[in-house]
Amino acid sequence: NAGVTQTPKFQVLKTGQSMTLQCAQDMNHEYMSWYRQDPGMGLRLIHYSVGAGITDQGEVPNGYNVSRSTTEDFPLRLLSAAPSQTSVYFCASSFGGMNTEAFFGQGTRLTVV
Amino acid sequence: KQEVTQIPAALSVPEGENLVLNCSFTDSAIYNLQWFRQDPGKGLTSLLLIQSSQREQTSGRLNASLDKSSGRSTLYIAASQPGDSATYLCAVRGAQKLVFGQGTRLTINP
Repeated sequence: NAGVTQTPKFQVLKTGQSMTLQCAQDMNHEYMSWYRQDPGMGLRLIHYSVGAGITDQGEVPNGYNVSRSTTEDFPLRLLSAAPSQTSVYFCASSFGGMNTEAFFGQGTRLTVV
Repeated sequence: KQEVTQIPAALSVPEGENLVLNCSFTDSAIYNLQWFRQDPGKGLTSLLLIQSSQREQTSGRLNASLDKSSGRSTLYIAASQPGDSATYLCAVRGAQKLVFGQGTRLTINP
């Protein structure tokens, strides 16, 4: 059971480039989300999805785009990378409903130069 | 706006000690509280989940308590070991998202 899988683990981008961070889960979870972790700021919610075809913004959505075409996958797109997007990105998933346990991937460490 | 605070930010203790990590939150309208462990450069590993209707949960040497009315949770680690060294994060679940504390960085000295 792979759980939540994120790729790539590391990435260096130049300012203005675009890229997609991949997230896949094999637990048939309805709820998926993306967080970024920054020193002194903790983990902050970027975007989330409550099911295939449904997405919504979190706390810090600007500069990011998401889609959810399948239950398993929830990619995060950086439209035009900026140095402020240098961070560690985590994908999480859980069953639907509010009383369920969240599971996290191993993270993608992104550096924008 | 929900705010989660973890005290202390860092803790260093000798091996074998029992210890308590603290987590406080400002809005008691939560669905659950989850404790995570994060090793350097790694992801978050779920340790314990406490539903809002529960008072505590136990897993091995770990015991987490929840006092929703006072906005507090504690993580008790018994007989600490060097392998327990990591950052411990608590998170409360509100509508559609988890709100995290900044974490406590724990070092267990052999």
